[in-house]
Amino acid sequence: QQQVKQSPQSLIVQKGGISIINCAYENTAFDYFPWYQQFPGKGPALLIAIRPDVSEKKEGRFTISFNKSAKQFSLHIMDSQPGDSATYFCAATSTGTASKLTFGTGTRLQVTL
Amino acid sequence: GAVVSQHPSRVICKSGTSVKIECRSLDFQATTMFWYRQFPKQSLMLMATSNEGSKATYEQGVEKDKFLINHASLTLSTLTVTSAHPEDSSFYICSARDQGHTEAFFGQGTRLTVV
Repeated sequence: QQQVKQSPQSLIVQKGGISIINCAYENTAFDYFPWYQQFPGKGPALLIAIRPDVSEKKEGRFTISFNKSAKQFSLHIMDSQPGDSATYFCAATSTGTASKLTFGTGTRLQVTL
Repeated sequence: GAVVSQHPSRVICKSGTSVKIECRSLDFQATTMFWYRQFPKQSLMLMATSNEGSKATYEQGVEKDKFLINHASLTLSTLTVTSAHPEDSSFYICSARDQGHTEAFFGQGTRLTVV
């Protein structure tokens, strides 16, 4: 029930294209869904997050789409750039003082020229 | 965004020695801190959760006597790897969260190599 399944494991996108990473969860108590970007040798950085009361959230080139009934959410990176090449992790948690993040398995994105 | 500083970024230690990793929240009070371990090309594995002034809660399978966590103040948590062995070599990452907030912010990570 605590799993967050993430796909694909790796992704190659041409510069200017759209990168799409998908996640699915099982625990209906989850109510906060962040995405993290991690470069090699660095800690993850919060990219964008969504709560289930909205179906979409956009920040610059990054958009989260959320489907509560399907228990799925996805990250869209528009106009992908070589600098976006990194590993992306989706995560989920339930708000509360003891809440822990449950991470997806990660997606290695490579944006080619 | 909030800043979490982790130090050192890299450390090499001899087998059998102990090494301490510090995690500081620079511009907010970290009532809760989390320590993760990450193997190459894998996701983050939560090791323990600590609340300021309380004993850390360790995840199943994590040796609390080997990975000592101290969260003595609202801005500082430390992870001490005791009697380190080569299999403890890994990337250790902390994150911190303020009370009443859901967002957790991560440190830069520490690459530990035990030789």
